[in-house]
Amino acid sequence: GEDVEQSLFLSVREGDSSVINCTYTDSSSTYLYWYKQEPGAGLQLLTYIFSNMDMKQDQRLTVLLNKKDKHLSLRIADTQTGDSAIYFCAESMGSQGNLIFGKGTKLSVKP
Amino acid sequence: NAGVTQTPKFRVLKTGQSMTLLCAQDMNHEYMYWYRQDPGMGLRLIHYSVGEGTTAKGEVPDGYNVSRLKKQNFLLGLESAAPSQTSVYFCASRGRLMNTEAFFGQGTRLTVV
Repeated sequence: GEDVEQSLFLSVREGDSSVINCTYTDSSSTYLYWYKQEPGAGLQLLTYIFSNMDMKQDQRLTVLLNKKDKHLSLRIADTQTGDSAIYFCAESMGSQGNLIFGKGTKLSVKP
Repeated sequence: NAGVTQTPKFRVLKTGQSMTLLCAQDMNHEYMYWYRQDPGMGLRLIHYSVGEGTTAKGEVPDGYNVSRLKKQNFLLGLESAAPSQTSVYFCASRGRLMNTEAFFGQGTRLTVV
């Protein structure tokens, strides 16, 4: 089946930049998403990118898409302790656009 | 605006018992989903619905049934709970357009002993 791959852990120091990487398999995915999950909570959409874009910037967040390599990344500038969470990459599949999630990357931010 | 509400938030079941998880959304969304989240496994799609009266199987449908009798509600049933169904269950909904945000409930933590 289709798979979305992410590294499981990332640790950075407060103020540094964080880069979370993701690879996906469905070249026909129209949209790719980044969701954030804080402890004990549901998932919250951070940002998404349309497949015909290479980059999208939204305040401290930068999403880069390499469609040829099916590689997606999320960069968080000036990472804060409040950014500590699990970050999920997701692609939309099929005509219904079902979201297929990666296993999530746990970001730990050290003061 | 409540968004997506899941009930209950916590439940402990004995093996073989049955239960129904309720998901309610007040955003008039067409699409609704049930996922389970397990450590190291991410979110896996159990069942989904593209509209009132329709349901379809996702990646891990075995042991679960669903119903979408009303547009705003999506029910997930466990007929005979097993320890392997211990998990955190998330419901989500979104509109028909592909670029619309999927909204998630807060989750239901289910333990089967």
